[in-house]
Amino acid sequence: NAGVMQNPRHLVRRRGQEARLRCSPMKGHSHVYWYRQLPEEGLKFMVYLQKENIIDESGMPKERFSAEFPKEGPSILRIQQVVRGDSAAYFCASSPSGSQPQHFGDGTRLSIL
Amino acid sequence: GIQVEQSPPDLILQEGANSTLRCNFSDSVNNLQWFHQNPWGQLINLFYIPSGTKQNGRLSATTVATERYSLLYISSSQTTDSGVYFCAVEDTGNQFYFGTGTSLTVIP
Repeated sequence: NAGVMQNPRHLVRRRGQEARLRCSPMKGHSHVYWYRQLPEEGLKFMVYLQKENIIDESGMPKERFSAEFPKEGPSILRIQQVVRGDSAAYFCASSPSGSQPQHFGDGTRLSIL
Repeated sequence: GIQVEQSPPDLILQEGANSTLRCNFSDSVNNLQWFHQNPWGQLINLFYIPSGTKQNGRLSATTVATERYSLLYISSSQTTDSGVYFCAVEDTGNQFYFGTGTSLTVIP
């Protein structure tokens, strides 16, 4: 029973490029959450999605960041025109429904040159 | 949003010692989870504990929801327990708030 799968594990981009981070939730989980962890800090909520719907994106920066969770396929967190400050670990979590335990993937470490 | 405070921020233990980590939160919550982030950055679920007490081997946790705190107990600590321990609470809108963590180092 596979856990939450995130890929890539590490991603290096130059300033101005686009970064795409993918998350496949656990089987049977239809709720996906994205978090960002800056060095030496805790995780900060970014966005909460269900299939084809964004439920809460209050933690997402207003520009350059977007997320989707299509009917088929993984959830995607997209960062356009990356800047050095986007360097962080991005974690995805899934749950079968709200108010259920969230299970985390191993994260994607994004480095911006 | 909900404020989550963890204490102590840093902890150094001799192998075999016991410890208690605390998590205070500022409002009513639907859910509380404890996680261990190992030195490789992976987040491991320890407990899902919105209230009551649970035990899993050398670890146990207690949440007193009415007083807005949770405790994580680690007994007979081992070097593999090293890492950062996070408490996270979920508000009524299903949004999670993480504390800043307790960094634990267990020395042999």
